[in-house]
Parts: sequence; C-alpha cells; structure tokens
Amino acid sequence: DQQVKQNSPSLSVQEGRISILNCDYTNSMFDYFLWYKKYPAEGPTFLISISSIKDKNEDGRFTVFLNKSAKHLSLHIVPSQPGDSAVYFCAAITFGNEKLTFGTGTRLTIIP
Amino acid sequence: DTGVSQNPRHKITKRGQNVTFRCDPISEHNRLYWYRQTLGQGPEFLTYFQNEAQLEKSRLLSDRFSAERPKGSFSTLEIQRTEQGDSAMYLCASSLGPLAGASNEQFFGPGTRLTVL
Repeated sequence: DQQVKQNSPSLSVQEGRISILNCDYTNSMFDYFLWYKKYPAEGPTFLISISSIKDKNEDGRFTVFLNKSAKHLSLHIVPSQPGDSAVYFCAAITFGNEKLTFGTGTRLTIIP
Repeated sequence: DTGVSQNPRHKITKRGQNVTFRCDPISEHNRLYWYRQTLGQGPEFLTYFQNEAQLEKSRLLSDRFSAERPKGSFSTLEIQRTEQGDSAMYLCASSLGPLAGASNEQFFGPGTRLTVL
C-alpha cells in the first residue's frame, strides 16, 4: 500500500524554467510533509517542508504547495539550475510519530 | 564531525552469511533511524532509536534483523542468514529532535549498499 505516490518517475526541464514536481498521498493522518533531494552515491538531503496548517512554504528558489482537500503537494523550483538535477523524494509524517513515509521519487534533469 | 557516516559503503556477501553495518550519527543528535531503499523505490523505515532505546520497529524488520545503539552513540544493524531479497541500500539518519519540526531535519548518511549473491 503506497501511501505517498510520485507518479512521474522522471522530468526534464530547460535551465532557467520552472520545475514542478508532484506528490499525492492517501493517508489523511499525515500532517507534515517534506521534500528530499538525492544525488548518486549520497544520502537524501532535506530541502523544504510544510505543515498541514499551511498551504505554502517558500525558501529561496524552492516553494512547496499543499492542497489538503486533494491530498496533493507540489515542489516548484524556479529558476531551475543544472545543479538541481537529482532524484527528488516527497515524504510525510504524522505528528508524534518518527516514521517517515517516502514516495518513489522523481528524477529531475535540467537541460542546459 | 561533518555528518552521518556509515561503514562499510559496500558489502558483497553470500546467501546465508551474517553481515553487520555501522552508523555514526552527528554527535549531538539523540535520534537515529535506519531505512532500506531498493531499486526504484523510496527509502522505507526500518527502526528508530531515541538515545539507546529502540522505540519503533517496522514489520519489514524480520527476526533476522537486529539493531542496537549502545550508549546512545553509534548504531549497528545486523542481518543474519542473509537472503537475496536483502540486497538493498541501507541508510542511516539522525536528528536532534522530533522530525515534525522546522528545525529538526533528518540528516542522512551515504548508505551501505548490500549485495547478496
């Protein structure tokens, strides 16, 4: 039972344009969401998070949007840069629980 | 201390052998997590320690798996009688506080890639 889903295994975006990565979840008990970025041969690195009481969180070029009614979140990267090429995982957690549930990841390729 | 370290980085073993992995978290972090990642999947939670206490274990952690964190510092994950299905990347992470907090992000190590022949 995949509680966190990333339906696009890969995405290619031209440098300078906006990258939009999507994530859907099924468990309505999730109340905190995180995005991680992973380069080959490295562990995932935390990027940005959002609490379920918000619908938007911004950090520099990265913005995460949360639509609770649709159980959907998205990560916007603008402008996209070559160094953004990586695998992006969305993850979710319930407050008081230390178990992160990850999606399957989306491989983002930024084309120079 | 620049981050979470894991040893070995790669391990190749024959089916039926025992293997042990080590994780050294960031020194002041009291929470330590183990995950497993197979090809094409995201990391899957295995177990979690707060200091030396193992507080949660996934159903993925069969009887052949055991994790310890003596003295609340480094942790070891042992797999007994390895099977080919155990082939995966084993990731360790640590955090200073509860994950659902803006300043308590989880830092991951580079992982140990296990191949069972």
